[in-house]
Amino acid sequence: KAGVTQTPRYLIKTRGQQVTLSCSPISGHRSVSWYQQTPGQGLQFLFEYFSETQRNKGNFPGRFSGRQFSNSRSEMNVSTLELGDSALYLCASSFGEAGQPQHFGDGTRLSIL
Amino acid sequence: AQKVTQAQTEISVVEKEDVTLDCVYETRDTTYYLFWYKQPPSGELVFLIRRNSFDEQNEISGRYSWNFQKSTSSFNFTITASQVVDSAVYFCALSEFREYGNKLVFGAGTILRVKS
Repeated sequence: KAGVTQTPRYLIKTRGQQVTLSCSPISGHRSVSWYQQTPGQGLQFLFEYFSETQRNKGNFPGRFSGRQFSNSRSEMNVSTLELGDSALYLCASSFGEAGQPQHFGDGTRLSIL
Repeated sequence: AQKVTQAQTEISVVEKEDVTLDCVYETRDTTYYLFWYKQPPSGELVFLIRRNSFDEQNEISGRYSWNFQKSTSSFNFTITASQVVDSAVYFCALSEFREYGNKLVFGAGTILRVKS
């Protein structure tokens, strides 16, 4: 059974640009969540999508947005990149019921120059 | 407010030693879920265990065991006879039932270094 796939693995951008990250969940999983991991703030929840609808959102500015497609694949977009957006972005999928274990991808490491 | 505290930033042990990773949580919800994840250098978070708030039974899986105590709001993780391959960052996480969806709140993580 294939795991969660995130692309690309690495990205280098400059301030002011925008970026789109992609996540393909485990087959059959309808929930996709995104997390940001930085040395200073640790692992922080960005948002969750379930059946193409945003179900929950963390405390991040509106520059961070996402969407989910009918095949449950999800994309996350960050606009007007700032140096502080440099982080490992992790995607996780689950069946979607409360308390279900989430399974994570390898992440996309985003570096802002 | 929901919060997870892992007070141990880093632990170093010698192979075959037992090691316990501490996790203390805060929640106002009566129904919640606790998790442990392992993050090796590759970056992927690997799911280890889930416990719901109504199940305080301790669990053992091979060299791993977990002690859940609601009275002290703790969910500690013990590795018996540690091995070099256990070296990783370990995260404890909390999910509340009333928080619609699957939002995970993570602790800061504990770096475990097992030396041969």
